[in-house]
Amino acid sequence: QEQLVQSGSELKKPGASVKVSCKASGYTFTSYAIHWVRQAPGQGLEWMGWINTNTGNPTYAQGFTGRFVFSLDTSVRKAYLQISSLKAEDTAVYFCARRGDGYNKFDFWGQGTLVTVSS
Amino acid sequence: QSALTQPASVSGSPGQSITISCTGTSSDVGGYDYVSWYQQHPGKAPKLIIYDVSKRPSGVSNRFSGSKSGNTASLTISGLQAEDEADYYCSSYTSRTLRVFGGGTKLTVL
Repeated sequence: QEQLVQSGSELKKPGASVKVSCKASGYTFTSYAIHWVRQAPGQGLEWMGWINTNTGNPTYAQGFTGRFVFSLDTSVRKAYLQISSLKAEDTAVYFCARRGDGYNKFDFWGQGTLVTVSS
Repeated sequence: QSALTQPASVSGSPGQSITISCTGTSSDVGGYDYVSWYQQHPGKAPKLIIYDVSKRPSGVSNRFSGSKSGNTASLTISGLQAEDEADYYCSSYTSRTLRVFGGGTKLTVL
C-alpha cells in the first residue's frame, strides 16, 4: 500500500539549517509529484510548492523562495525539504504529499515533521 | 498567496447535515474543476475526502459530497457522526500561484 514516511521532529537554533525527508513506498516513486505543505502552530495549511520526481525540477510558491530547497534521491525513493537560515517563524509542521491521478489531488500524506526553531 | 475563504467554524448535531463553503475567484475555484477537500483530526495528517469538485476517493464515506457554483465550492456532510468532528480544508488549482488552500473550518458535532 502507498505510504509516505517522514523523518522525526527537529529542534534547531535560529540561523541553522534543517533537512526533512519523505520516504515513499508502495508505488512507483517517479510517477507522482511530491508537494510540500506547511502548517504553523494553530494555523491552516499553506502550500509551499512541489517537485517533479521524474525530472527533479522544483517549483516554489510565493514566500518559499531562497531559503527553501526541494530535492530528491530516487535511488532511495526519498524527497527532501531543506530550510536554511532558520527563523522562529519557520516553526511549523511540514507535510509531504503525493499528487495522485488528478491535477489537485493530494491522495497520500506523510505524517508530518515538526520543526521547532528556538534559541 | 491569498487563501480561499472558508467559515472559521460550523456545528451540527448527530444525524444532521452541514455545508462548508469555500469562496475564491475566477482565477481559482471558478476557473477550474480542480477543487479538493481534506479532513484533518488534531495532530494528524490531512486526509483527502473530495477531489475534482465532487469525486470521492475509494474508501471515503458517501456521506461526504462536493459541489461548485461560480466561485464557491461546497462540502456537504450528511448524517453527521461524532467522528466527523475535525478541521476541513478546501484547495484549488490557481492560475496565479498554482495551488492554494482555504483557511480551514472547524466542525463541531454537538
